[in-house]
Amino acid sequence: SQELEQSPQSLIVQEGKNLTINCTSSKTLYGLYWYKQKYGEGLIFLMMLQKGGEEKSHEKITAKLDEKKQQSSLHITASQPSHAGIYLCGADGDTDKLIFGTGTRLQVFP
Amino acid sequence: KAGVTQTPRYLIKTRGQQVTLSCSPISGHRSVSWYQQTPGQGLQFLFEYFSETQRNKGNFPGRFSGRQFSNSRSEMNVSTLELGDSALYLCASSLDRRSPLHFGNGTRLTVT
Repeated sequence: SQELEQSPQSLIVQEGKNLTINCTSSKTLYGLYWYKQKYGEGLIFLMMLQKGGEEKSHEKITAKLDEKKQQSSLHITASQPSHAGIYLCGADGDTDKLIFGTGTRLQVFP
Repeated sequence: KAGVTQTPRYLIKTRGQQVTLSCSPISGHRSVSWYQQTPGQGLQFLFEYFSETQRNKGNFPGRFSGRQFSNSRSEMNVSTLELGDSALYLCASSLDRRSPLHFGNGTRLTVT
């Protein structure tokens, strides 16, 4: 079955620094989603990528899907405390259900 | 447009009891999915409903069941609760299979 691995598991950065989170799939990705979760709350949809080489941006967050469609990265420019949370990548799994990576916990300190 | 609404937000139950969680999807969304989130296992897919039919099911025991009503609202039931069922249960809705899921804030279930 398909698995999604995220790295790093945890990230602590100083405000203003750039950072990158990676999501690697054991199989070809046909739909890759990025979500953000505040502790104990629901997931907030950030972006969806479908085509190899596709790149999307929203405010200071950019997500890319590589050409081979097995890896995606999420890049945050000039991080702010509001970026803190858990970032999860999700993908359409083998049996048409959305599966998720284990998550990356981001902390941003002033 | 109102988001996905889950009730209740918090629940405390004892082992052996049963519990019903409710989810109201975004207006116009016909697909509802349920997930269980725990620190150890992360987000695990429970089931998906579309137009009152269960379309997909995860690897959970039969104690976990769900249903969807004609107005797309969904309920999830867990019978004979076990300590390991303590988790955040998240409901998500979408327009169709190719659209992103939109999540509610979840129901935190604690089993003592």
